Amino acid sequence: ETGVTQSPTHLIKTRGQQVTLRCSSQSGHNTVSWYQQALGQGPQFIFQYYREEENGRGNFPPRFSGLQFPNYSSELNVNALELDDSALYLCASSSGTSATSYEQYFGPGTRLTVT
Amino acid sequence: QKEVEQNSGPLSVPEGAIASLNCTYSDRGSQSFFWYRQYSGKSPELIMFIYSNGDKEDGRFTAQLNKASQYVSLLIRDSQPSDSATYLCAVSHTDKLIFGTGTRLQVFP
Repeated sequence: ETGVTQSPTHLIKTRGQQVTLRCSSQSGHNTVSWYQQALGQGPQFIFQYYREEENGRGNFPPRFSGLQFPNYSSELNVNALELDDSALYLCASSSGTSATSYEQYFGPGTRLTVT
Repeated sequence: QKEVEQNSGPLSVPEGAIASLNCTYSDRGSQSFFWYRQYSGKSPELIMFIYSNGDKEDGRFTAQLNKASQYVSLLIRDSQPSDSATYLCAVSHTDKLIFGTGTRLQVFP
């Protein structure tokens, strides 16, 4: 167990709806990154937060947004859901100012299905 | 050219053998390299990281890095059926990690 938790475990939404996914970082970690993993693919970087500020973003549209709170927990919000948003959403926490320099530990993920 | 490339497999090895997993990357500026293991239906689990050229050993696992050839590998000695999983290579790229699509390893008794 990494100490990173995510909720909910599974979620089914309809196209056009909005969804919020939640993540609690491992104790002592101040950086959180979110990934989308489609079936048969590697995780794709969505964005990263350090001390409540976004400090890195992948090739995802603005309808993917996030927040990090003072206790370093985090949210991923997706608006106007599309069928292709169906995937496993992973949260990873790490310590330091750049998650590329430090090891990232993943939570169990949220499986999102959009119908 | 994909930024991080892995053979999708499956790589099948008998129990007790050495499994060799390979990964190539395109960004010569990458500094940090990671191997994750992912069981079906589960999230990735960090098993090795390497920052310098050469070998790094941890138990049955050895990571090898050759920055000149832009190549990183993972050796698993004395493979066990419990090692059967998908192994993801991840490479640092500016402000994020880039993952390969993973190699599926099957260890048969």
